[in-house]
Amino acid sequence: DQQVKQNSPSLSVQEGRISILNCDYTNSMFDYFLWYKKYPAEGPTFLISISSIKDKNEDGRFTVFLNKSAKHLSLHIVPSQPGDSAVYFCAASGRSSNTGKLIFGQGTTLQVKP
Amino acid sequence: KAGVTQTPRYLIKTRGQQVTLSCSPISGHRSVSWYQQTPGQGLQFLFEYFSETQRNKGNFPGRFSGRQFSNSRSEMNVSTLELGDSALYLCASSLRGQGSLETQYFGPGTRLLVL
Repeated sequence: DQQVKQNSPSLSVQEGRISILNCDYTNSMFDYFLWYKKYPAEGPTFLISISSIKDKNEDGRFTVFLNKSAKHLSLHIVPSQPGDSAVYFCAASGRSSNTGKLIFGQGTTLQVKP
Repeated sequence: KAGVTQTPRYLIKTRGQQVTLSCSPISGHRSVSWYQQTPGQGLQFLFEYFSETQRNKGNFPGRFSGRQFSNSRSEMNVSTLELGDSALYLCASSLRGQGSLETQYFGPGTRLLVL
């Protein structure tokens, strides 16, 4: 049972435009969500997170939106840059675990074309 | 502050052998989690250690084990290697590993190839 899903395996956008990456979850106990960026043969790099008490969090070009009723979150990158080309993972954790366990989606490969 | 370090970065083993991977967390972090990344299964949680105790375990066979030392460094061991164990093994650390309060920071990973 996949509790965190990224239904789009890949996304291609033009440099300077907006990139929108989506993530859905099924477990209502999740209350903390994170986005990571990953280059091949490297570990994931933390980008931005959001707690379930918020519906939006911004950090520079990156904004994460959380819709709890729809169990959906999205990452917006504006403007997109070629260096943003990577695999993006959303991850979730919850109150029930009280441990360092993250549940990851399958990832979305973003390609930003110059 | 130095990031999470993992050694070795690359490893080639044959079926039936065992392997030990090492992870040094960010200074001050006491929780260390391990993940396996494969093309088919994505990133999957293996286990988490906090204060030298395993606090949570994923759905992996008993061939996968780990431990944590008093300085928070952690090792994971895979015995009787199988071809399907070929993967990128990632270690992540956080202050206390309290899932809904903290961010985990990942190391570069150890790429294991089993022949």
